[in-house]
Amino acid sequence: GQNIDQPTEMTATEGAIVQINCTYQTSGFNGLFWYQQHAGEAPTFLSYNVLDGLEEKGRFSSFLSRSKGYSYLLLKELQMKDSASYLCAVRDQDGGSQGNLIFGKGTKLSVKP
Amino acid sequence: DGGITQSPKYLFRKEGQNVTLSCEQNLNHDAMYWYRQDPGQGLRLIYYSQIVNDFQKGDIAEGYSVSREKKESFPLTVTSAQKNPTAFYLCASSPTRQETQYFGPGTRLLVL
Repeated sequence: GQNIDQPTEMTATEGAIVQINCTYQTSGFNGLFWYQQHAGEAPTFLSYNVLDGLEEKGRFSSFLSRSKGYSYLLLKELQMKDSASYLCAVRDQDGGSQGNLIFGKGTKLSVKP
Repeated sequence: DGGITQSPKYLFRKEGQNVTLSCEQNLNHDAMYWYRQDPGQGLRLIYYSQIVNDFQKGDIAEGYSVSREKKESFPLTVTSAQKNPTAFYLCASSPTRQETQYFGPGTRLLVL
């Protein structure tokens, strides 16, 4: 079966660092994506990992371990505008659904002053 | 400006009525997608299209139909057969199916 798990909600303080975890069990794997979604808006692309290791992009970093089926998104120097849902998605690579994204339910992050 | 547009932002459907959601992109992307988002659930794929005049069912295609007559446009029709249509509908596109997907602003469909 296909399953992606991430915490439902997290709270952090402005200026702090927060790590949002994502574990996945999929029949195939061809990359992992993180998207940010503010309430009522469209998801916006944050990062993509296909090889093991850390990808850094400004205040945001994403890590992947394929052997463990595990990724995390690290947000540094939190700002109030980072309050949003963060979606983890795995690209499938399995027969007819090759290339489809499988999304987790998202983690709602609240940043407090 | 390049991007993906969806209209309308809000749409109301009456019982037994078909409604069509518009999705247009000027990014010259080959692949386009329709997702449905419900509270507390991940995005679920309704239909996708890899190229003009071709489309495939996603995980929850029942009660929906699409067309891809032009590269720029991928409209979604929610038919009366879809018994629980209230949701946030998101259209996305990517240069090819193997590349990053970018989303439009979404259409919120409500049933009267």
